[in-house]
Amino acid sequence: DSGVTQTPKHLITATGQRVTLRCSPRSGDLSVYWYQQSLDQGLQFLIQYYNGEERAKGNILERFSAQQFPDLHSELNLSSLELGDSALYFCASSVNGQETQYFGPGTRLLVL
Amino acid sequence: QKEVEQDPGPLSVPEGAIVSLNCTYSNSAFQYFMWYRQYSRKGPELLMYTYSSGNKEDGRFTAQVDKSSKYISLFIRDSQPSDSATYLCAMISSGSARQLTFGSGTQLTVLP
Repeated sequence: DSGVTQTPKHLITATGQRVTLRCSPRSGDLSVYWYQQSLDQGLQFLIQYYNGEERAKGNILERFSAQQFPDLHSELNLSSLELGDSALYFCASSVNGQETQYFGPGTRLLVL
Repeated sequence: QKEVEQDPGPLSVPEGAIVSLNCTYSNSAFQYFMWYRQYSRKGPELLMYTYSSGNKEDGRFTAQVDKSSKYISLFIRDSQPSDSATYLCAMISSGSARQLTFGSGTQLTVLP
C-alpha cells in the first residue's frame, strides 16, 4: 500500500457526460500528479499540483481540468467524455515535488 | 520517435533465471531514472531510483545507468514467479517540474 488513495475504483459512464476523480496523497506529500494509462499511449503525464498551485501541464485535453484543495486532496474533472477517454487514471504524490513518486491504485474509467 | 524506448516483450523466463530489462532515451535532459513494477490492474510500484551513472543494488534487483549511451537497465537475479508483472522505466528531466516520462513497459512472466 503506497498510502495514496483514489476513488472511485471503477466508473462507467456514457459519452458526453462529466465525471470527477478524487485523490488523497500520502500524509505530508505536497505534490500531486495525474497520469493516464491507455493501451495505445501507455502511461502519460497529465498535470501536476504543488501545495494548491498548478506546477506543470502535460498532454491534458482542454476538456479535462484539475485542482488541489487546501487539505491537499486533488480532483480531476473530465467533461464531454468520448470513447477514447476510457483508460486507467492514476494519481501519484511526492514530498515537495521530489523525484520519487508513489502511485495510487487508479480509477478505471469506461465510457460507453 | 518516442523520448523513451522500451522493448514491450513479452518476456518469459524460468524461475531462478537472471532477467535483463532495458530502456534507451533520447533526451539528454533526463537526470533521474526509475523502475516501476505494475501488477495487472494495479498502480505502479516504485522499485528503484537512481541519479548518477553506475549501478545501484537492492536485494535481487540492480539498476544500471549509462548516461553517455543514454541507456538504463534493470537486472533481476534469482527471478521468482511473484516477479511476473509489467516493468516500466521512467525518467525525470532537470528543471522545476518533476513529471515522469515512461517507457511502454515490458511484460515479464517467470515460469515455476
